[in-house]
Amino acid sequence: GENVEQHPSTLSVQEGDSAVIKCTYSDSASNYFPWYKQELGKRPQLIIDIRSNVGEKKDQRIAVTLNKTAKHFSLHITETQPEDSAVYFCAARGYTGTASKLTFGTGTRLQVTL
Amino acid sequence: EAQVTQNPRYLITVTGKKLTVTCSQNMNHEYMSWYRQDPGLGLRQIYYSMNVEVTDKGDVPEGYKVSRKEKRNFPLILESPSPNQTSLYFCASSLEATYEQYFGPGTRLTVT
Repeated sequence: GENVEQHPSTLSVQEGDSAVIKCTYSDSASNYFPWYKQELGKRPQLIIDIRSNVGEKKDQRIAVTLNKTAKHFSLHITETQPEDSAVYFCAARGYTGTASKLTFGTGTRLQVTL
Repeated sequence: EAQVTQNPRYLITVTGKKLTVTCSQNMNHEYMSWYRQDPGLGLRQIYYSMNVEVTDKGDVPEGYKVSRKEKRNFPLILESPSPNQTSLYFCASSLEATYEQYFGPGTRLTVT
């Protein structure tokens, strides 16, 4: 089955700096890669996603890149702000026959300091 | 209001006492899923359902059961809970597997 590894587990940046979180996946058939943000005590919420037919996607200060050959994808946050502090999860949708599972990484705790 | 609801939100129970956590969505979503969240382990999928009467195992299905008799409901059943099932549980739904998942508020379960 799919295996998703996420690094780093914690990341501290100063306000205004950029943050990069990286994930690798194992199933070459995976075709959907979402990123979720979870603030303390709250439920995860989708912030951006990318499909395997696209190499990069941007939404304001957030971007995701996908390298299918190397089987890795990354989340880039520019001009970080205190409200970006949260736990971020990457995920990959793998196939098991005709079914599909969503496998998450173990999370990155991002802290944006003033 | 479009939402996913879970009940109960908090539950403390004893080993072996059967329990059910309910999940309901009002968005007519086909794909529903259960996750458990544990420190350092992220979100792990327990079971998912691609449509009514279609369910399949996720990565950590042992000790859990699910059913999908109606599109809107996807209950999680622990027939004989054990302490290692103490966790934070999230239900989620989406139009289908490659669309945004909407998570419920979570159920914190403690098994003593």
